[in-house]
Amino acid sequence: NAGVTQTPKFQVLKTGQSMTLQCAQDMNHEYMSWYRQDPGMGLRLIHYSVGAGITDQGEVPNGYNVSRSTTEDFPLRLLSAAPSQTSVYFCASSRVYNSPLHFGNGTRLTVT
Amino acid sequence: KQEVTQIPAALSVPEGENLVLNCSFTDSAIYNLQWFRQDPGKGLTSLLLIQSSQREQTSGRLNASLDKSSGRSTLYIAASQPGDSATYLCAVDGNDMRFGAGTRLTVKP
Repeated sequence: NAGVTQTPKFQVLKTGQSMTLQCAQDMNHEYMSWYRQDPGMGLRLIHYSVGAGITDQGEVPNGYNVSRSTTEDFPLRLLSAAPSQTSVYFCASSRVYNSPLHFGNGTRLTVT
Repeated sequence: KQEVTQIPAALSVPEGENLVLNCSFTDSAIYNLQWFRQDPGKGLTSLLLIQSSQREQTSGRLNASLDKSSGRSTLYIAASQPGDSATYLCAVDGNDMRFGAGTRLTVKP
């Protein structure tokens, strides 16, 4: 099992550009989620999904979209990048809600 | 709004010492609390998950306790080793998942 795979590892965007951060898991997990990690602030939940076709907002959803068309994939879309979105983004999954989370290795995004 | 605090922000101990990391939260209406380890440049690794109905969980040299009424959890690491050096984060799962900022642990040989 590869676990949770995130691509790309690094990305630099200009303000106003859009992009998609990819997340895939091969563990048949129902629950998937996206977080951003900023220095001194811990991780903050952006969006989550409890199963294919179901998504919901977390603590900081503005400027981000998600979709869950398959169990395996949960991409995060930045619609119009802003410098405030410079961060490290983590995708995580768990077998079901309320079970241990498995994290990917993150995508470091810089918006100039 | 759930607030999660971890004190201290950094801790340095000699190898072999037993140590306790602290996590406090403001809203006791939670489903579970998880402790994670994060190595530099890596994602988080789940160490222990305590359900809201449980008081503690153990895995090897790690023991985590949960006191919902006082809004506190502790992670006890026995006989610390240099390989335990990492940042330890707690996360509280209520209406959504809230993380503490972490405690950076250094275990010196």
